[in-house]
Amino acid sequence: GNSVTQMEGPVTLSEEAFLTINCTYTATGYPSLFWYVQYPGEGLQLLLKATKADDKGSNKGFEATYRKETTSFHLEKGSVQVSDSAVYFCALSDGGSEKLVFGKGMKLTVNP
Amino acid sequence: NAGVTQTPKFRVLKTGQSMTLLCAQDMNHEYMYWYRQDPGMGLRLIHYSVGEGTTAKGEVPDGYNVSRLKKQNFLLGLESAAPSQTSVYFCASSAGTSGGRGELFFGEGSRLTVL
Repeated sequence: GNSVTQMEGPVTLSEEAFLTINCTYTATGYPSLFWYVQYPGEGLQLLLKATKADDKGSNKGFEATYRKETTSFHLEKGSVQVSDSAVYFCALSDGGSEKLVFGKGMKLTVNP
Repeated sequence: NAGVTQTPKFRVLKTGQSMTLLCAQDMNHEYMYWYRQDPGMGLRLIHYSVGEGTTAKGEVPDGYNVSRLKKQNFLLGLESAAPSQTSVYFCASSAGTSGGRGELFFGEGSRLTVL
């Protein structure tokens, strides 16, 4: 079945550091790919998405590119802020369903 | 905007007790979901619904029941709680448009402890 594997952390960075969170997937067909973020004490919210190969999703300085050849969707940000401290989830949905399969999540802490 | 609202936010149960978690959404979404979040496990789908009057099993449905009598509400029931059901439960909804757009809107979660 479909699955997502992502870096689990936790990871601690200093403000303005570069961030990469790796995500790879296994899926049949042509899934859509997502990054969700969960801030402390809140539910998840969509950060960015890509629906086909070579698409780049971007939001709030984060970006991720749908790489079909490597089945990856790595999340990057050039300069993290304290406010980026959160848990980040990679997820996928298959082409015909709204159900999402989530990775285990990675907790990021950014220190000033 | 209220979005997705879950009640209660916290609950402590004894083994064998029953309870119901209520999820309400005001976005007229077709699809609704119940996930549980456990440390090191990420989010796992319990049950979901693709419209009023429908329900379907997700990845971990055992020990839970659901109902979707009204489009805006999705109830999750535990008939006989077990310590293994200690978790944070998240309800989510989505528009259910074709193509798996995948933008789910989540509630703030309900923390359940079973002693």
